[in-house]
Amino acid sequence: EIVLTQSPGTLSLSPGERATLSCRASQSVGSNFLAWYQQKPGQAPRLLIHGASNRATGIPDRFSGGGSGTDFTLTINRLEPADFAVYYCHQYGTSSWAFGQGTKVEIK
Amino acid sequence: EVQLVESGGGLVKPGGSLRLSCAASGFTFSGAWMSWVRQAPGKGLEWVGRIKSNVLGGTTDYTTFLKGRFTISRDDSKTTVYLQMNSLETEDTAVYFCTAEQPCSGGSCSGTWGQGTLVTVSS
Repeated sequence: EIVLTQSPGTLSLSPGERATLSCRASQSVGSNFLAWYQQKPGQAPRLLIHGASNRATGIPDRFSGGGSGTDFTLTINRLEPADFAVYYCHQYGTSSWAFGQGTKVEIK
Repeated sequence: EVQLVESGGGLVKPGGSLRLSCAASGFTFSGAWMSWVRQAPGKGLEWVGRIKSNVLGGTTDYTTFLKGRFTISRDDSKTTVYLQMNSLETEDTAVYFCTAEQPCSGGSCSGTWGQGTLVTVSS
């Protein structure tokens, strides 16, 4: 079973800054089947990125994903107030899915 | 509009059972793979399991921590997916989300999520 570890746990930034979130897998994620989700308080998660680097429908290009194998990143350029939320990475490459524990991006 | 609406959550005693429902609309349910994800209060997301379309045998996969206590099923005639939860433990307290999978770069991942239903296991 693949375990995903996200870092940092919390990222304190100001609007307009860039956020870089990391997700490390305990073993290689097949076919880079790695997704990123955004979740705001009281809401369901929203799909941002799939296939490690492909933006989901309607996601602005300020959001970008990268990486392969066991190391992945989510970058958010020019943070906007609506971007302050919790972000989860997720691997869907095996029959047993997994989520990372989340990174909270908070306003500094 | 694609929509998922969960129901059936509530308060249940340890050792009890509960069945959650997720009514789907706005897409071809019979061909969809459906998943359940839960989130304990103040905690992260935890995958519960999934059911493939009946065209693919309606096969299911579950996370290992469930130890066979939960079962996912579907009724395509009602465009509804179910989560039967037995032998509930206090650690099962969570919001349970239903999700519809979508093509994701050659694989399948959760694209549409319901609003969730809260299950509280307490004596």
